[in-house]
Amino acid sequence: GQNIDQPTEMTATEGAIVQINCTYQTSGFNGLFWYQQHAGEAPTFLSYNVLDGLEEKGRFSSFLSRSKGYSYLLLKELQMKDSASYLCAVRSPQQNFVFGPGTRLSVLP
Amino acid sequence: EAGVAQSPRYKIIEKRQSVAFWCNPISGHATLYWYQQILGQGPKLLIQFQNNGVVDDSQLPKDRFSAERLKGVDSTLKIQPAKLEDSAVYLCASSLAPGGRGNTIYFGEGSWLTVV
Repeated sequence: GQNIDQPTEMTATEGAIVQINCTYQTSGFNGLFWYQQHAGEAPTFLSYNVLDGLEEKGRFSSFLSRSKGYSYLLLKELQMKDSASYLCAVRSPQQNFVFGPGTRLSVLP
Repeated sequence: EAGVAQSPRYKIIEKRQSVAFWCNPISGHATLYWYQQILGQGPKLLIQFQNNGVVDDSQLPKDRFSAERLKGVDSTLKIQPAKLEDSAVYLCASSLAPGGRGNTIYFGEGSWLTVV
């Protein structure tokens, strides 16, 4: 079966750092993806991990531990525009993307 | 580069009526997906095509939902008859064929369905 878990909501302050966790149990693994989704809009790609370790991309970093079935997305120097839902997704070897429930992040001034 | 195109953007229908959504993927993308996203939840895969063949439709409610991609390019998702619980955003996405690093999927803006 497929199970992906994320916290439902998080709140942080402008300029701060926030870490959004994702745990997964899936049959088959070919990469973990993070997407950002603003209210009323389609998800947009943020980052991708297929090997263990940290991938850094500007203010956003993503970490993966395949043995623990665990990933996190780290957002630094938070801005108001970062208020959005963050979706964790696991890709299967058949290119099937399974999404988690999403974490709604609110950035406060 | 043009993105994934979807239409209509918004649709309101009464229960038991039918509706159809259209999607045109990014040029050259062999894999096409239809996802259903209910408000406050993550997207749920309905069907995945590789060219014009179905790879996965295990979560498609086949008694009322159907989808086709006859020429391996654009696709249509149909719901007949619609139920109240079908109210959701229907997201079409596409990706390159398997292989290579990354190969993320790219989403269209979605078709918002309200069933009353």
